[in-house]
Amino acid sequence: QVQLVQSGAEVKKPGASVKVSCKASGYTFTSYGISWVRQAPGQGLEWMGWISAYNGNTNYAQKLQGRVTMTTDTSTSTAYMELRSLRSDDTAVYYCARGGSYPIDYWGQGTLVTVSS
Amino acid sequence: EIVMTQSPATLSVSPGERATLSCRASQSVSSNLAWYQQKPGQAPRLLIYGASTRATGIPARFSGSGSGTEFTLTISSLQSEDFAVYYCQQYNNWPPALTFGGGTKVEIK
Repeated sequence: QVQLVQSGAEVKKPGASVKVSCKASGYTFTSYGISWVRQAPGQGLEWMGWISAYNGNTNYAQKLQGRVTMTTDTSTSTAYMELRSLRSDDTAVYYCARGGSYPIDYWGQGTLVTVSS
Repeated sequence: EIVMTQSPATLSVSPGERATLSCRASQSVSSNLAWYQQKPGQAPRLLIYGASTRATGIPARFSGSGSGTEFTLTISSLQSEDFAVYYCQQYNNWPPALTFGGGTKVEIK
């Protein structure tokens, strides 16, 4: 069965960086893209960007351009999302999800990132 | 950026009643529209894709319709497990640039 398993919760100080991992199993990793979506406490879903697991092409949300980097390691079927220069309003649950140019059909369990001094 | 607008923000419905949720796109997304259900503390779950196709395992009481800029999710007879927040999302762009609606919370009346 398809599974996306994310790394654990993180607490960071403002200005720091965080890198969240997402290990995929149960399907051919390079056949699907991975999107990253975040959800601030009590708020809706915000798409952050997408990466092709086939060739590493990316497309980021404009508001995060310059602060976010998405990568994949095909040898371990793992996707990564790094967010830099963290601010308090980056506090959110971060999800990886399979999909982008087609519906998102599987989601990771979410990773809580808390930004606090 | 394509803006997705959902209405109403909150819908109060009694169990067994019909619920109708709306989603509007700021420009045409053809039929590249999905609906998700999210319960507290859980990741979203895909309900509908292609505007009207139920995802695997989704009960027949969930149906989607529309194309272009106007879409509807209908839950024909609300069950207790259906009280949740529902999001629409378009996936019409290449390279992918997804956008979500703000969500509709379906609560018990």
